[in-house]
Amino acid sequence: NAGVTQTPKFQVLKTGQSMTLQCAQDMNHNSMYWYRQDPGMGLRLIYYSASEGTTDKGEVPNGYNVSRLNKREFSLRLESAAPSQTSVYFCASSDFDGTLTEAFFGQGTRLTVV
Amino acid sequence: AQSVTQLGSHVSVSEGALVLLRCNYSSSVPPYLFWYVQYPNQGLQLLLKYTSAATLVKGINGFEAEFKKSETSFHLTKPSAHMSDAAEYFCAVRRYFGNEKLTFGTGTRLTIIP
Repeated sequence: NAGVTQTPKFQVLKTGQSMTLQCAQDMNHNSMYWYRQDPGMGLRLIYYSASEGTTDKGEVPNGYNVSRLNKREFSLRLESAAPSQTSVYFCASSDFDGTLTEAFFGQGTRLTVV
Repeated sequence: AQSVTQLGSHVSVSEGALVLLRCNYSSSVPPYLFWYVQYPNQGLQLLLKYTSAATLVKGINGFEAEFKKSETSFHLTKPSAHMSDAAEYFCAVRRYFGNEKLTFGTGTRLTIIP
């Protein structure tokens, strides 16, 4: 009953460092998403993957890259972290197959860039 | 493109009073609409969803929402607030057709006054 699992839960980076946020889902969903949450701005889509092998930019993709490693896993990479990337990051998955299912979210990664 | 607007970033109600959280949507095609709740330091949990089957949708924890096409609204209500309802609430929209991403509103933080 894991659902969507994100690692790590917390991370502190220095400006310029790189890191990868990991996300895995066990619901056999086709679509996966990365959002960032900032106070007063709701959730903004960074990248999404409609199916294995495809990725598309969302609303705020600059400074990020993604990899859809397989159907289960979707990682988010910060190549050179900046203080503006301090945020809470959420991974989500869904499978809009006509009958519709909602998106399921992980517990989030709280990232601080100093 | 679709979007949602949540009126009121902060709402306070007394315990036992009516909860009303407002959401208006914009979509060029019939939408799917969602309300999610986020408790402190947690991920997002689905409260309810509109999928065109019925305009009045009942969700978990006594919440419900009514889809009003003429007003392009999907307001969330609960007849009697409980202390445990204190959380942040997000309205979200996606297109009816295709494998589309969710677009979120900026959120409403609900405070319950004892």
